[in-house]
Amino acid sequence: NAGVTQTPKFQVLKTGQSMTLQCAQDMNHNSMYWYRQDPGMGLRLIYYSASEGTTDKGEVPNGYNVSRLNKREFSLRLESAAPSQTSVYFCASSSGTGGQDTQYFGPGTRLTVL
Amino acid sequence: SQQGEEDPQALSIQEGENATMNCSYKTSINNLQWYRQNSGRGLVHLILIRSNEREKHSGRLRVTLDTSKKSSSLLITASRAADTASYFCATGKPYSSASKIIFGSGTRLSIRP
Repeated sequence: NAGVTQTPKFQVLKTGQSMTLQCAQDMNHNSMYWYRQDPGMGLRLIYYSASEGTTDKGEVPNGYNVSRLNKREFSLRLESAAPSQTSVYFCASSSGTGGQDTQYFGPGTRLTVL
Repeated sequence: SQQGEEDPQALSIQEGENATMNCSYKTSINNLQWYRQNSGRGLVHLILIRSNEREKHSGRLRVTLDTSKKSSSLLITASRAADTASYFCATGKPYSSASKIIFGSGTRLSIRP
């Protein structure tokens, strides 16, 4: 089992460019999440999906969109990148739908917006 | 908004010593989880303690929860170099499907050889 995988590992964008971060899990989990982690801080929830076909906003959704493509895949899109979106992005998944059970994390994508 | 706050922010101890980290939170919780993050890696779940539990063990880890003080502690006994990492608490609020677990800002633990 690969667990939770994320691509790419690193990305540099110019202000205004767009990109999609990909996430996939092979644990047959119902819920998937996107977080951002800024230096010296904990994780902040951007969007989550409690089941295939549903998505909801988290704490910091502005500037992002998501797609739950199927049960395995959950992508995060930056339509017009801004320097404030420079961060490390983590995808996670959990088996339940309530959002409070154990989460399994991917290795992260380090994004720099110039 | 951060529900849990870890204390201290940074901790440096000698290998073999015990490490204690604390987490305080503001509102009622369903459960509290502790995660570890090695430098440059994703978070790894360590232990989950429910609001009706007071203490839980897992190997060299001991977690306590005091709901009256709204606080939890993580004790790592007989520390090893491999325990060097950041440790985060995460709290889940009750009766809320919209509010997922909320992470604190973490304690950076360094184990000196």
